[in-house]
Amino acid sequence: DQQVKQNSPSLSVQEGRISILNCDYTNSMFDYFLWYKKYPAEGPTFLISISSIKDKNEDGRFTVFLNKSAKHLSLHIVPSQPGDSAVYFCAATYSGGYQKVTFGTGTKLQVIP
Amino acid sequence: DTGVSQDPRHKITKRGQNVTFRCDPISEHNRLYWYRQTLGQGPEFLTYFQNEAQLEKSRLLSDRFSAERPKGSFSTLEIQRTEQGDSAMYLCASSLQGMDTEAFFGQGTRLTVV
Repeated sequence: DQQVKQNSPSLSVQEGRISILNCDYTNSMFDYFLWYKKYPAEGPTFLISISSIKDKNEDGRFTVFLNKSAKHLSLHIVPSQPGDSAVYFCAATYSGGYQKVTFGTGTKLQVIP
Repeated sequence: DTGVSQDPRHKITKRGQNVTFRCDPISEHNRLYWYRQTLGQGPEFLTYFQNEAQLEKSRLLSDRFSAERPKGSFSTLEIQRTEQGDSAMYLCASSLQGMDTEAFFGQGTRLTVV
Protein backbone atom coordinates (compact mmCIF):
# COMPACT_ATOMS: atom_id res chain seq x y z
CA ASP A 1 0.00 0.00 0.00
CA GLN A 2 1.76 3.12 -1.28
CA GLN A 3 0.72 5.86 1.13
CA VAL A 4 2.84 8.52 -0.57
CA LYS A 5 2.69 8.58 -4.34
CA GLN A 6 4.80 10.36 -6.89
CA ASN A 7 3.20 9.45 -10.18
CA SER A 8 5.80 11.07 -12.43
CA PRO A 9 9.00 9.01 -12.45
CA SER A 10 10.82 11.69 -14.42
CA LEU A 11 10.62 15.32 -15.48
CA SER A 12 12.70 17.40 -17.89
CA VAL A 13 12.77 21.18 -17.67
CA GLN A 14 14.76 23.88 -19.42
CA GLU A 15 17.19 25.87 -17.31
CA GLY A 16 15.55 29.03 -15.99
CA ARG A 17 12.02 27.65 -16.19
CA ILE A 18 9.84 26.41 -13.36
CA SER A 19 9.99 22.79 -12.21
CA ILE A 20 6.84 21.43 -10.57
CA LEU A 21 7.04 18.10 -8.80
CA ASN A 22 3.82 16.56 -7.53
CA CYS A 23 2.98 14.23 -4.68
CA ASP A 24 -0.23 12.66 -3.39
CA TYR A 25 -0.84 10.94 -0.09
CA THR A 26 -3.58 8.71 1.21
CA ASN A 27 -3.07 8.59 4.99
CA SER A 28 -5.15 11.28 6.71
CA MET A 29 -2.95 11.04 9.79
CA PHE A 30 -0.01 12.61 7.98
CA ASP A 31 0.49 16.15 9.22
CA TYR A 32 4.07 16.95 8.27
CA PHE A 33 5.54 16.70 4.81
CA LEU A 34 9.07 16.86 3.53
CA TRP A 35 11.01 16.90 0.31
CA TYR A 36 14.41 15.28 0.02
CA LYS A 37 16.85 15.58 -2.85
CA LYS A 38 19.17 12.76 -3.81
CA TYR A 39 22.20 12.87 -6.08
CA PRO A 40 23.69 9.62 -7.46
CA ALA A 41 25.91 7.80 -4.98
CA GLU A 42 24.79 10.05 -2.12
CA GLY A 43 22.18 9.73 0.58
CA PRO A 44 19.01 11.83 0.48
CA THR A 45 19.38 15.41 1.68
CA PHE A 46 16.58 17.31 3.40
CA LEU A 47 15.34 20.16 1.21
CA ILE A 48 12.17 21.74 2.59
CA SER A 49 9.19 20.82 4.73
CA ILE A 50 5.67 21.97 5.52
CA SER A 51 3.33 21.44 8.42
CA SER A 52 -0.35 20.74 7.82
CA ILE A 53 -1.25 24.02 9.53
CA LYS A 54 0.24 25.85 6.54
CA ASP A 55 -0.52 25.73 2.86
CA LYS A 56 2.75 27.18 1.62
CA ASN A 57 6.37 27.28 2.68
CA GLU A 58 9.10 29.04 0.79
CA ASP A 59 12.88 28.79 0.99
CA GLY A 60 14.77 30.65 -1.68
CA ARG A 61 14.04 29.09 -5.04
CA PHE A 62 12.03 26.27 -3.49
CA THR A 63 8.37 26.50 -2.51
CA VAL A 64 6.17 23.71 -1.27
CA PHE A 65 2.38 23.95 -1.54
CA LEU A 66 -0.01 21.77 0.45
CA ASN A 67 -3.65 21.13 -0.44
CA LYS A 68 -5.02 19.13 2.48
CA SER A 69 -8.47 18.60 1.04
CA ALA A 70 -6.97 17.05 -2.07
CA LYS A 71 -4.21 15.30 -0.12
CA HIS A 72 -1.76 16.78 -2.57
CA LEU A 73 1.47 18.67 -2.32
CA SER A 74 3.84 20.09 -4.86
CA LEU A 75 7.38 21.40 -4.95
CA HIS A 76 8.11 24.37 -7.18
CA ILE A 77 11.66 25.24 -8.17
CA VAL A 78 12.08 28.66 -9.75
CA PRO A 79 14.28 29.25 -11.63
CA SER A 80 15.51 25.73 -12.29
CA GLN A 81 19.27 25.25 -12.52
CA PRO A 82 21.33 22.35 -13.91
CA GLY A 83 22.55 21.62 -10.38
CA ASP A 84 18.97 20.86 -9.41
CA SER A 85 19.11 17.70 -11.52
CA ALA A 86 18.53 14.92 -9.00
CA VAL A 87 15.90 12.54 -7.69
CA TYR A 88 13.34 14.26 -5.48
CA PHE A 89 11.51 12.28 -2.82
CA CYS A 90 8.29 13.43 -1.25
CA ALA A 91 7.86 12.16 2.30
CA ALA A 92 5.29 12.34 5.07
CA THR A 93 4.99 11.70 8.77
CA TYR A 94 2.62 12.37 11.66
CA SER A 95 2.55 13.74 15.19
CA GLY A 96 3.80 11.18 17.65
CA GLY A 97 5.58 9.31 14.92
CA TYR A 98 7.97 11.80 13.45
CA GLN A 99 10.71 9.21 13.74
CA LYS A 100 9.05 7.12 11.05
CA VAL A 101 8.95 8.88 7.70
CA THR A 102 7.13 7.40 4.70
CA PHE A 103 8.75 8.18 1.37
CA GLY A 104 7.36 8.27 -2.14
CA THR A 105 9.07 6.54 -5.04
CA GLY A 106 10.81 9.67 -6.27
CA THR A 107 10.82 11.86 -9.37
CA LYS A 108 14.00 12.23 -11.38
CA LEU A 109 14.39 15.85 -12.44
CA GLN A 110 16.63 16.76 -15.33
CA VAL A 111 17.31 20.44 -15.90
CA ILE A 112 18.56 21.00 -19.41
CA PRO A 113 21.09 23.82 -19.89
CA ASP B 1 32.43 16.04 11.68
CA THR B 2 31.85 15.02 8.08
CA GLY B 3 28.34 13.70 8.53
CA VAL B 4 26.84 10.24 8.71
CA SER B 5 29.31 7.57 7.67
CA GLN B 6 28.44 4.05 6.52
CA ASP B 7 30.73 1.10 5.95
CA PRO B 8 31.12 -0.71 3.66
CA ARG B 9 29.80 1.21 0.68
CA HIS B 10 29.28 -1.95 -1.31
CA LYS B 11 28.90 -5.58 -0.30
CA ILE B 12 28.46 -8.62 -2.52
CA THR B 13 27.64 -11.82 -0.71
CA LYS B 14 26.43 -15.30 -1.52
CA ARG B 15 22.95 -16.34 -0.58
CA GLY B 16 22.87 -17.80 2.90
CA GLN B 17 25.82 -15.82 4.24
CA ASN B 18 25.60 -13.32 7.09
CA VAL B 19 26.50 -9.68 6.57
CA THR B 20 26.99 -6.76 8.95
CA PHE B 21 26.90 -3.07 8.15
CA ARG B 22 28.11 -0.21 10.29
CA CYS B 23 26.80 3.32 10.67
CA ASP B 24 28.54 6.19 12.46
CA PRO B 25 26.08 9.04 13.03
CA ILE B 26 26.83 12.71 13.49
CA SER B 27 28.45 12.77 16.91
CA GLU B 28 25.92 14.84 18.85
CA HIS B 29 22.87 13.11 17.35
CA ASN B 30 21.11 10.81 19.77
CA ARG B 31 18.62 9.37 17.25
CA LEU B 32 19.67 6.90 14.59
CA TYR B 33 17.55 5.34 11.86
CA TRP B 34 17.91 2.52 9.38
CA TYR B 35 16.10 2.56 6.05
CA ARG B 36 16.13 0.19 3.08
CA GLN B 37 15.77 1.32 -0.51
CA THR B 38 15.12 -1.09 -3.36
CA LEU B 39 15.32 -0.24 -7.05
CA GLY B 40 12.64 2.21 -8.13
CA GLN B 41 11.35 2.73 -4.61
CA GLY B 42 11.85 5.33 -1.95
CA PRO B 43 13.55 4.57 1.35
CA GLU B 44 11.50 2.35 3.68
CA PHE B 45 11.77 2.72 7.43
CA LEU B 46 13.28 -0.28 9.22
CA THR B 47 14.07 0.78 12.77
CA TYR B 48 15.27 3.61 14.97
CA PHE B 49 17.26 4.11 18.14
CA GLN B 50 17.23 6.78 20.76
CA ASN B 51 20.67 6.53 22.31
CA GLU B 52 21.18 2.78 22.82
CA ALA B 53 17.49 1.89 23.00
CA GLN B 54 15.77 0.45 19.94
CA LEU B 55 12.36 2.10 20.15
CA GLU B 56 10.58 0.93 17.02
CA LYS B 57 10.95 -1.79 14.42
CA SER B 58 9.10 -2.07 11.14
CA ARG B 59 7.41 -5.31 10.19
CA LEU B 60 9.86 -5.27 7.27
CA LEU B 61 12.54 -6.18 9.80
CA SER B 62 12.23 -9.94 9.80
CA ASP B 63 13.85 -12.11 12.44
CA ARG B 64 16.87 -12.49 10.17
CA PHE B 65 17.62 -8.81 10.73
CA SER B 66 19.06 -7.40 13.93
CA ALA B 67 20.25 -3.92 14.72
CA GLU B 68 22.23 -2.70 17.68
CA ARG B 69 23.58 0.53 19.02
CA PRO B 70 25.49 -0.70 22.06
CA LYS B 71 26.92 2.53 23.41
CA GLY B 72 24.54 4.98 21.86
CA SER B 73 27.07 5.97 19.24
CA PHE B 74 27.64 3.78 16.16
CA SER B 75 25.12 1.19 15.07
CA THR B 76 25.32 -2.15 13.28
CA LEU B 77 22.74 -3.87 11.12
CA GLU B 78 23.19 -7.60 10.66
CA ILE B 79 21.37 -9.77 8.16
CA GLN B 80 21.58 -13.49 8.73
CA ARG B 81 21.09 -16.13 6.03
CA THR B 82 20.85 -13.53 3.30
CA GLU B 83 18.33 -13.99 0.50
CA GLN B 84 18.29 -12.45 -2.97
CA GLY B 85 15.36 -10.29 -1.89
CA ASP B 86 17.65 -8.60 0.64
CA SER B 87 19.55 -6.93 -2.20
CA ALA B 88 19.03 -3.22 -1.66
CA MET B 89 20.61 0.00 -0.52
CA TYR B 90 20.69 0.21 3.27
CA LEU B 91 20.60 3.80 4.47
CA CYS B 92 21.43 5.10 7.90
CA ALA B 93 20.34 8.51 9.16
CA SER B 94 20.70 10.46 12.37
CA SER B 95 19.09 13.42 14.04
CA LEU B 96 18.79 15.27 17.30
CA GLN B 97 15.81 14.39 19.45
CA GLY B 98 13.05 16.80 18.52
CA MET B 99 14.55 17.30 15.07
CA ASP B 100 13.51 13.93 13.71
CA THR B 101 11.96 15.37 10.60
CA GLU B 102 15.29 16.74 9.44
CA ALA B 103 17.45 13.68 9.58
CA PHE B 104 20.85 13.53 7.91
CA PHE B 105 21.44 10.49 5.74
CA GLY B 106 24.62 8.60 5.02
CA GLN B 107 25.63 7.47 1.55
CA GLY B 108 24.31 3.99 2.16
CA THR B 109 25.59 0.45 1.84
CA ARG B 110 24.61 -1.31 -1.37
CA LEU B 111 24.09 -5.01 -0.76
CA THR B 112 23.99 -7.49 -3.61
CA VAL B 113 23.09 -11.09 -2.80
CA VAL B 114 24.10 -13.54 -5.53
